[in-house]
Amino acid sequence: DQQVKQNSPSLSVQEGRISILNCDYTNSMFDYFLWYKKYPAEGPTFLISISSIKDKNEDGRFTVFLNKSAKHLSLHIVPSQPGDSAVYFCAASRGTGANSKLTFGKGITLSVRP
Amino acid sequence: DSGVTQTPKHLITATGQRVTLRCSPRSGDLSVYWYQQSLDQGLQFLIQYYNGEERAKGNILERFSAQQFPDLHSELNLSSLELGDSALYFCASSGTWTSTEQYFGPGTRLTVT
Repeated sequence: DQQVKQNSPSLSVQEGRISILNCDYTNSMFDYFLWYKKYPAEGPTFLISISSIKDKNEDGRFTVFLNKSAKHLSLHIVPSQPGDSAVYFCAASRGTGANSKLTFGKGITLSVRP
Repeated sequence: DSGVTQTPKHLITATGQRVTLRCSPRSGDLSVYWYQQSLDQGLQFLIQYYNGEERAKGNILERFSAQQFPDLHSELNLSSLELGDSALYFCASSGTWTSTEQYFGPGTRLTVT
């Protein structure tokens, strides 16, 4: 049972445009969400997170939006750069801290065309 | 560089064999997590250790086991290997008890032939 779903396996955008990566979850007990970026032959790198008490968190070119009623979150990258081309994983947890287990989606491959 | 190291980078072995994957967490991190990423799958949580004690178990097979040593490095042991165990195995660490963000190593690619 996939509790975190990234239904689009890939996305291609033009450099300078906005990239919107979507993620849905089914477990209403999740209350903390994270995005990771992964380049080939490397481990995932933490990008940005959001708590369920917020609906938006911004860090530079990256913004994560959370819609709790729809159980949906999205990562916006503006402007997109070729170096953003990678696999992006959405993850969710119940609670925070070292005792919370992360549940990951299958990932979305983002390609940013120059 | 996340500061998490994993060895070896690649491992090729035969079915029925046993292998050990090693992970050193970031300096000072007490929690270590192991994940498996198979083809077309997301990261599947296997097991977590905190300061030497097992804290959480995920979809870890009985043929797999792990431990965390006093110096906080961790090992994942995979035995009676099957073709389906071929995957990327990632180790991650996190710092404090209140930290949710995990920092991943580069992974070990295991190929079972």
